[in-house]
Amino acid sequence: GQNIDQPTEMTATEGAIVQINCTYQTSGFNGLFWYQQHAGEAPTFLSYNVLDGLEEKGRFSSFLSRSKGYSYLLLKELQMKDSASYLCAVVDSNYQLIWGAGTKLIIKP
Amino acid sequence: IAGITQAPTSQILAAGRRMTLRCTQDMRHNAMYWYRQDLGLGLRLIHYSNTAGTTGKGEVPDGYSVSRANTDDFPLTLASAVPSQTSVYFCASSGVPAGGTDTQYFGPGTRLTVL
Repeated sequence: GQNIDQPTEMTATEGAIVQINCTYQTSGFNGLFWYQQHAGEAPTFLSYNVLDGLEEKGRFSSFLSRSKGYSYLLLKELQMKDSASYLCAVVDSNYQLIWGAGTKLIIKP
Repeated sequence: IAGITQAPTSQILAAGRRMTLRCTQDMRHNAMYWYRQDLGLGLRLIHYSNTAGTTGKGEVPDGYSVSRANTDDFPLTLASAVPSQTSVYFCASSGVPAGGTDTQYFGPGTRLTVL
């Protein structure tokens, strides 16, 4: 079967750095998305990786290792507004998006 | 530009009733999707449409039907609602069909409770 694993919940301090991991086992791979979802709201796009390596976009960076079936989202200089769930999703061989259950990130002052 | 709108925002429904969730996008996207999101589970695809006039089944299609009469609208119908269909429903769209890797954009969601 296809599987996306993320930690259920993480806690971090305002101003700090946090890394949210995602491991996947899917039938094929055609890219990996990270989305942010605030409570009660819709998911919004953060990043897309299809090649190995680090993609940096402001305070957020996303890393991919296809050989290890692994990605992480790195959030720097955490702000209270970063409190949200972070969803990892993999595009499989049929170009269907397979979604992880999401990681709830709690930021404390 | 509104993006994607969904209606209603929330609904409480008696089991056995018929319900249509509405979804409209103004981005001229070809592909549209319906997901349900339940606590502790990832988003699960119910149905999708690659272009107007075509639809396909996702991971959890039973009990749901869709139609795509035009580019903008993609309604989801529950023919006879059951309590297990209590969930938050998200409509999404993307610029290329499901055979691509284009970013999906989501509507605000409909919170449905079936009693």
